[in-house]
Amino acid sequence: GQQLNQSPQSMFIQEGEDVSMNCTSSSIFNTWLWYKQDPGEGPVLLIALYKAGELTSNGRLTAQFGITRKDSFLNISASIPSDVGIYFCAGQRRSQGGSEKLVFGKGTKLTVNP
Amino acid sequence: DTGVSQDPRHKITKRGQNVTFRCDPISEHNRLYWYRQTLGQGPEFLTYFQNEAQLEKSRLLSDRFSAERPKGSFSTLEIQRTEQGDSAMYLCATVGGWGTNEKLFFGSGTQLSVL
Repeated sequence: GQQLNQSPQSMFIQEGEDVSMNCTSSSIFNTWLWYKQDPGEGPVLLIALYKAGELTSNGRLTAQFGITRKDSFLNISASIPSDVGIYFCAGQRRSQGGSEKLVFGKGTKLTVNP
Repeated sequence: DTGVSQDPRHKITKRGQNVTFRCDPISEHNRLYWYRQTLGQGPEFLTYFQNEAQLEKSRLLSDRFSAERPKGSFSTLEIQRTEQGDSAMYLCATVGGWGTNEKLFFGSGTQLSVL
């Protein structure tokens, strides 16, 4: 199935460093979302973006909806050990059936060294 | 805890057996999705319900897969004659809010291993 291009695939950083990851698509989305997933658990929503150009923060997390509606980025500032996990971007568009199914990237695996 | 409950959390089965998973959504959410996630990949859409109506199915959902949502509450996903390629995490998600308040909440998933 279709997936978004998410990069980088993995990151190894020191505690306190800032992190940036992004997602691109060849097609337009109406909504961009960022999720975090811990091993053996479902994805947990971090930030939702609904308008092109929108910049939204959630604590140390900041995400932006690209003005072309084909990309988004997520920044994490001053990383801490509990930021470890896999981060997924997801694009959402309305389909003919009326569903608003999400298309996911392959994830960015973040490791934070204390 | 998002409020979306899935059961069982883990299922190990032999090839050829049938398995059924259950999802209990957040009570006021009328839209429900099933996704499948394999190792190293993001979740992939399987099917969508609005209340009890199954409105969309992915090409990933072969004829061995069937999903139901009787009475528009809980949902079940059944896989018949399981194959090793069915091994994956099966995720249920429900939608709350509308428009710019719309958010998709996932359950913890059912991890299926087909031996």
